[in-house]
Amino acid sequence: RKEVEQDPGPFNVPEGATVAFNCTYSNSASQSFFWYRQDCRKEPKLLMSVYSSGNEDGRFTAQLNRASQYISLLIRDSKLSDSATYLCVVNIDGYNKLIFGAGTRLAVHP
Amino acid sequence: DGGITQSPKYLFRKEGQNVTLSCEQNLNHDAMYWYRQDPGQGLRLIYYSQIVNDFQKGDIAEGYSVSREKKESFPLTVTSAQKNPTAFYLCASSIRGWETEAFFGQGTRLTVV
Repeated sequence: RKEVEQDPGPFNVPEGATVAFNCTYSNSASQSFFWYRQDCRKEPKLLMSVYSSGNEDGRFTAQLNRASQYISLLIRDSKLSDSATYLCVVNIDGYNKLIFGAGTRLAVHP
Repeated sequence: DGGITQSPKYLFRKEGQNVTLSCEQNLNHDAMYWYRQDPGQGLRLIYYSQIVNDFQKGDIAEGYSVSREKKESFPLTVTSAQKNPTAFYLCASSIRGWETEAFFGQGTRLTVV
């Protein structure tokens, strides 16, 4: 089983739609969680950290479910500019390294 | 401006040659990482370093080598032992390590011809 798993998509949604991605992780000792965004042929950039209590940043909401070992990202009112690949990132406790999921591709169309 | 710089952006290498990818950061970050990304795939960890003069192998270290002689520099050498080196290489740094945000360079696209 992969340490971090994501649905590769693509998710094709119209502008204004709400879309949600999930990411599961295998190591119950994981402590830090992030969502990164990667545009085509570019470097990943931090979208948001994921906190235990959940957190929101404008149209984006991230949730953590430790019992089921998954994190989620909800995007409301999708914009064309949200089209990108969204990477789930988890730290593996004791290994001092970040593990990236393969990413979920989102395509927002007019 | 503070940031992390990778060079060159594009690199072509003949089979059997070693090549070194540069990564420099002026963010005063302790931790630095090298990842490899293949088309349609996620990032895979090659090497990481938490402090100067110390580094650890990641998941796919075979055929690669690194050094960390200075805090701001973490060069990656792709050796001729790496069987399939054509890929997009990304360097990243973070303040302390796994619990903090990682900042990425713009990447180096290596093509073996």
